[in-house]
Amino acid sequence: AQSVTQLGSHVSVSEGALVLLRCNYSSSVPPYLFWYVQYPNQGLQLLLKYTSAATLVKGINGFEAEFKKSETSFHLTKPSAHMSDAAEYFCAVSPRGGSEKLVFGKGTKLTVNP
Amino acid sequence: GAGVSQSPSNKVTEKGKDVELRCDPISGHTALYWYRQRLGQGLEFLIYFQGNSAPDKSGLPSDRFSAERTGESVSTLTIQRTQQEDSAVYLCASSSQLRETQYFGPGTRLLVL
Repeated sequence: AQSVTQLGSHVSVSEGALVLLRCNYSSSVPPYLFWYVQYPNQGLQLLLKYTSAATLVKGINGFEAEFKKSETSFHLTKPSAHMSDAAEYFCAVSPRGGSEKLVFGKGTKLTVNP
Repeated sequence: GAGVSQSPSNKVTEKGKDVELRCDPISGHTALYWYRQRLGQGLEFLIYFQGNSAPDKSGLPSDRFSAERTGESVSTLTIQRTQQEDSAVYLCASSSQLRETQYFGPGTRLLVL
């Protein structure tokens, strides 16, 4: 079985500051890992995904995430926050070779202060 | 189509009534998924369809929930005898095939009074 824990339901940063959103996963098989972003009243948009290639994954809008097997983590970072980054972020896991349904964390709402 | 579309965007119903939610996947996508997002929660998987294979219904919370898909096109999620705890945003996603990126629609916001 797979599960995802996102530490911090709310994160607040200043514009220009580092963004760090934490995600830890549990999976009995090698996972695929995803970060999605949800802007208000919109559906989810894929930011980036890890599917066993490079452990450092670069996504859209300057975001990146690093897969660390030893720590079972897949934290999302961005060097410099922009006001437009304010949204809710979801980490998700799916097992390789099995059911393709995504298991999501509860989400982290990012606020960017001017 | 340009993306996944869902209708209605909002639905208010009375407890005990049946509702139907519609999803139009991206043209050519063979896989289609339904998820539920309750307030303050992550997304919960409900069901997925892949081509003509039997759907994976393992996430449906009760027998009041059912879904159909005709071929590789539109899907309908039906909730019978709605309860207040069914209030949530219902999201649909599609992918070109299994194990590929899932593209999400804007969701249907369901409120059961």
